[in-house]
Amino acid sequence: QQQVKQSPQSLIVQKGGISIINCAYENTAFDYFPWYQQFPGKGPALLIAIRPDVSEKKEGRFTISFNKSAKQFSLHIMDSQPGDSATYFCAARGYYGGSQGNLIFGKGTKLSVKP
Amino acid sequence: EAQVTQNPRYLITVTGKKLTVTCSQNMNHEYMSWYRQDPGLGLRQIYYSMNVEVTDKGDVPEGYKVSRKEKRNFPLILESPSPNQTSLYFCASKTRDRGIGLEKLFFGSGTQLSVL
Repeated sequence: QQQVKQSPQSLIVQKGGISIINCAYENTAFDYFPWYQQFPGKGPALLIAIRPDVSEKKEGRFTISFNKSAKQFSLHIMDSQPGDSATYFCAARGYYGGSQGNLIFGKGTKLSVKP
Repeated sequence: EAQVTQNPRYLITVTGKKLTVTCSQNMNHEYMSWYRQDPGLGLRQIYYSMNVEVTDKGDVPEGYKVSRKEKRNFPLILESPSPNQTSLYFCASKTRDRGIGLEKLFFGSGTQLSVL
C-alpha cells in the first residue's frame, strides 16, 4: 500500500497554542519521513524529517513524534505563531518495487494561527 | 543561490495547444521530478528522472511527457492539454540519498496552468 493518510485537512489554532498534524502509513518499507511546509505562492520546503529508528526529533518549536509499531507519525508545533500559517505535508520514502526512493505525500493540512 | 527555476509562473492556454514548462536546477542534482498540486489531493508525482536520459512514470503520468537530455534541465511537455490538466505544477530536485543522511527535496516556485 503506497498511501500516506494525513489529518486533519484544516486546522485553526490560537496564537501560543499547540498545533498537531497526524499521518499514518501502511507500507513498512518506508525508511524516511519528512514534513514540508508551503506558504501561499511558494513551493514546499523541507521543515523537519525523521528516520524510523528514532522516536522523536525536535527542531526549535517543531517536533516529529514517530510510532513505528502503530505506523503513525505526527508534527507538533509548540507556541504556534501567525507566521506558521501555511500548508503542511507529511511524506514517506520507500525503496520498494520500482519506487526508486520517491516521496509519497499526504494530502496536506492547511494551518491557520489566529492572533 | 541554490535554486530550482520554473517558467512560466502562470500560463493560460486552450485545449489541444502543445505547451512546455521548463525547469532548471543549479545544484548538480541527479534526481528531478514533476508534481501537480490540486485542492484536496495534495502533491502527486507525474514523472521523475534518476539521472540524464533516465525517466520514469510517477503516479499520474497520463497526458504528460518529459525529457532529460542535460543534468540541469527537466522540461514538462503537454502535447495536447485538456481542462483536467488545469493545476499548479512543481518541479523539484535532490541529490540521491546514499542511505546515510537525510535528503532534501528542493522545489521550484510553481507554474499555475489553466487549460480552457
